[in-house]
Amino acid sequence: SQTIHQWPATLVQPVGSPLSLECTVEGTSNPNLYWYRQAAGRGLQLLFYSVGIGQISSEVPQNLSASRPQDRQFILSSKKLLLSDSGFYLCAWSSTAPGELFFGEGSRLTVL
Amino acid sequence: QKEVEQNSGPLSVPEGAIASLNCTYSDRGSQSFFWYRQYSGKSPELIMFIYSNGDKEDGRFTAQLNKASQYVSLLIRDSQPSDSATYLCAVNRRADSNYQLIWGAGTKLIIKP
Repeated sequence: SQTIHQWPATLVQPVGSPLSLECTVEGTSNPNLYWYRQAAGRGLQLLFYSVGIGQISSEVPQNLSASRPQDRQFILSSKKLLLSDSGFYLCAWSSTAPGELFFGEGSRLTVL
Repeated sequence: QKEVEQNSGPLSVPEGAIASLNCTYSDRGSQSFFWYRQYSGKSPELIMFIYSNGDKEDGRFTAQLNKASQYVSLLIRDSQPSDSATYLCAVNRRADSNYQLIWGAGTKLIIKP
């Protein structure tokens, strides 16, 4: 069966510090991968999605970046965090069926 | 107008009753529709999807789609306290050569014992 894991689960970072969130998928090959952010009481905002190694599409211009160095690995990064980067970050994968997403456990980021 | 709208709630329903959650969307070209459940502090999980007009049943859950009126509903029969969560509606539409998933902000459901 397919599983998805992301880490770390929680982190508190000062403004201006770097960020790295990692996500891995097991049990499937060539998944579509996504990074979402969810602000408190808000809907999901798509940040990045990837249909293959090295193929990243950005939905929202910002100080975040994503990389997919391996087929089942997706990384979200920032060189310098802003206060507005605080939120609940979710990695997800899907197969060919658009909209049927499977989410990781989430990473709660607080920028102080 | 938001592309996908949901009443934020909270919607309070007594245990054992039917909970009815509604979602409206603006793009008539939308093709598929999804309901996700999100417990507090947890990630969303897919519970239902529907592609065609009408009803689709899965256990205690029924998804209803009316494309003419541009709404999709989720009914939960015999509501249990464990159904208390935020329910997110997501709508898939074509954008150029890709699909774009648009999310509602969610409805918080509280089942009262």
